[in-house]
Amino acid sequence: EVQLVQSGAELKKPGESLKISCQGSGYTFPNYWISWVRQMPGKGLEWMGKIDPTDSYTYYSPSFRGRVSISLDEARTTAYLQWNNLEASDTAIFYCARLTEGGEGFDIWGQGTLVTVSS
Amino acid sequence: QSVLTQPPSVSAAPGQKVTISCSGSSTSIGSNYVAWYQHLPGAAPKLLIYENDKRPSGIPDRFSGSKSGTSATLDITGLQTGDEADYYCGTWDSSVTPGNVFGTGTKVTVL
Repeated sequence: EVQLVQSGAELKKPGESLKISCQGSGYTFPNYWISWVRQMPGKGLEWMGKIDPTDSYTYYSPSFRGRVSISLDEARTTAYLQWNNLEASDTAIFYCARLTEGGEGFDIWGQGTLVTVSS
Repeated sequence: QSVLTQPPSVSAAPGQKVTISCSGSSTSIGSNYVAWYQHLPGAAPKLLIYENDKRPSGIPDRFSGSKSGTSATLDITGLQTGDEADYYCGTWDSSVTPGNVFGTGTKVTVL
């Protein structure tokens, strides 16, 4: 079965760092870009950025550039989303998703990781 | 990046049809394929339509998509209670700051 499995929910304090993961299985991971998508409480979906698993090239939405970083593990089967200085406004559900070959859509989604930032 | 505009909500009785519009620009919908997603509460979004009008395997033909110019449409026929969810369109925006973009989302209510 083709799937993306994300790490579990996190509760962090403002100023802390965090790295959440997204592991692919059931397909050739390097063949498809992986994106991260944010959903803030009661809000819609926002595209954050993407990574090419073949060479770790990343591309970020201007809204998120400099605030987060996207990376891969050495085995290139797991993607990461990382913050170095969390803020309360980072509280959201974060989804990883596999980009279709055309690049316009996302055909496989992770189950989502709830990140809560609160003092 | 531009945002794609959808109506906040649509509703209809079971068995009826709803239509969800998605308005973009020449650099987004006007130049790229459109996808549609169903987002049920507590679940991950699911791809319903890709490349404007194609359905992934397992998606019933009650769901259909189309595109014309800078707008796209998702039709849901034979509405069922299980269709009650948020629906999003999405595409690539080829503007000065390119990137993937999503619609504002539409809540479908089955009366």
